[in-house]
Amino acid sequence: KAGVTQTPRYLIKTRGQQVTLSCSPISGHRSVSWYQQTPGQGLQFLFEYFSETQRNKGNFPGRFSGRQFSNSRSEMNVSTLELGDSALYLCASAVGGGRDNEQFFGPGTRLTVL
Amino acid sequence: QQPVQSPQAVILREGEDAVINCSSSKALYSVHWYRQKHGEAPVFLMILLKGGEQKGHEKISASFNEKKQQSSLYLTASQLSYSGTYFCGTVIQGAQKLVFGQGTRLTINP
Repeated sequence: KAGVTQTPRYLIKTRGQQVTLSCSPISGHRSVSWYQQTPGQGLQFLFEYFSETQRNKGNFPGRFSGRQFSNSRSEMNVSTLELGDSALYLCASAVGGGRDNEQFFGPGTRLTVL
Repeated sequence: QQPVQSPQAVILREGEDAVINCSSSKALYSVHWYRQKHGEAPVFLMILLKGGEQKGHEKISASFNEKKQQSSLYLTASQLSYSGTYFCGTVIQGAQKLVFGQGTRLTINP
């Protein structure tokens, strides 16, 4: 079974731009969660989607948004990028909801904002 | 609602034991443990869904003390491959969100 894939793996943007990251979960997984990882903050939860519906949301500003498609693939969008958005963005998929099930993480997208 | 992990970092020699603690200020529904090696994605270790539950994974095991709202991860006879950052994630009672602690960096030296 193929693992979770994320594209692109690396991205360099400038302040004020917007960016879209993509995540393809493991086949059969209906839950996709997104996390922001920075050296000082650990893994910060962004949101979880399950069957195309946002189930949970973390404490991030409205510039961070996401969606999930009928094939469970998910995208995350960050508008009006700020320097502080530089981070590794990880997505994780699970068969059921993230609270009860093992999550499988993708390799991440490293976003650098200049 | 972020759980607190302790210690933040620990350095051991191969063969020594380690304990990593994870505590919450609210009643917990579940506790999840993951390990992340440098430059890699986090990998699942185990979930504890029931107070008093203990689970084992080779020489890595964990307990969940529901009353104390905490979990501990035990690594016995540590191996070099155990090096990495360990994250606990918690879901509080009545909630759906899995929130991770800041991680504990474990270094095993030969």
